[in-house]
Amino acid sequence: GAGVSQSPSNKVTEKGKDVELRCDPISGHTALYWYRQSLGQGLEFLIYFQGNSAPDKSGLPSDRFSAERTGGSVSTLTIQRTQQEDSAVYLCASSFQDLAGGEQYFGPGTRLTVT
Amino acid sequence: DAKTTQPNSMESNEEEPVHLPCNHSTISGTDYIHWYRQLPSQGPEYVIHGLTSNVNNRMASLAIAEDRKSSTLILHRATLRDAAVYYCILRDPGNQFYFGTGTSLTVIP
Repeated sequence: GAGVSQSPSNKVTEKGKDVELRCDPISGHTALYWYRQSLGQGLEFLIYFQGNSAPDKSGLPSDRFSAERTGGSVSTLTIQRTQQEDSAVYLCASSFQDLAGGEQYFGPGTRLTVT
Repeated sequence: DAKTTQPNSMESNEEEPVHLPCNHSTISGTDYIHWYRQLPSQGPEYVIHGLTSNVNNRMASLAIAEDRKSSTLILHRATLRDAAVYYCILRDPGNQFYFGTGTSLTVIP
């Protein structure tokens, strides 16, 4: 079956521009997560959705970052006025439910480069 | 906040067992312990998880200390395909995620 997909796979943008990153979770998965991974670093949690609501936004690094999820499926992560420090791989994951013991399935990521 | 600590790197000979440690001394009673691994240029993949009891699956075993302040991921027979960064993660029902620094495992042929 289809796994988690993300688009675009690579994005190069100029400093100050806005970008939108998309995540298509596995069908039927109600929980969706966004992470960021800078070069050579571990994963940094950004935000989590249960259905369309985001009970935990604590990981968003600044108010330039926002995310939404509509229809309990596709999610978009928007970064406004991008900065060079936003350059990273943005990973999306989904799971059946928001269970602390649930397995997360990760997408391949979007590599964002801000020039 | 609960955190995990792991060695930065480890080496293992091929076909030998590997024990990857993780310390989580501030773990709470409701935190689950997850392990994921990340191969080069790929997203992380689930390995195993547990709460209190030791766990086994086709990929690995998870040994959890009685006081739950540490755990060990055991790969019973390392292969070259097991070379990856292994992350020890705590997850609580409040949905906070705490990733360790990760251990980069090198498997020597």
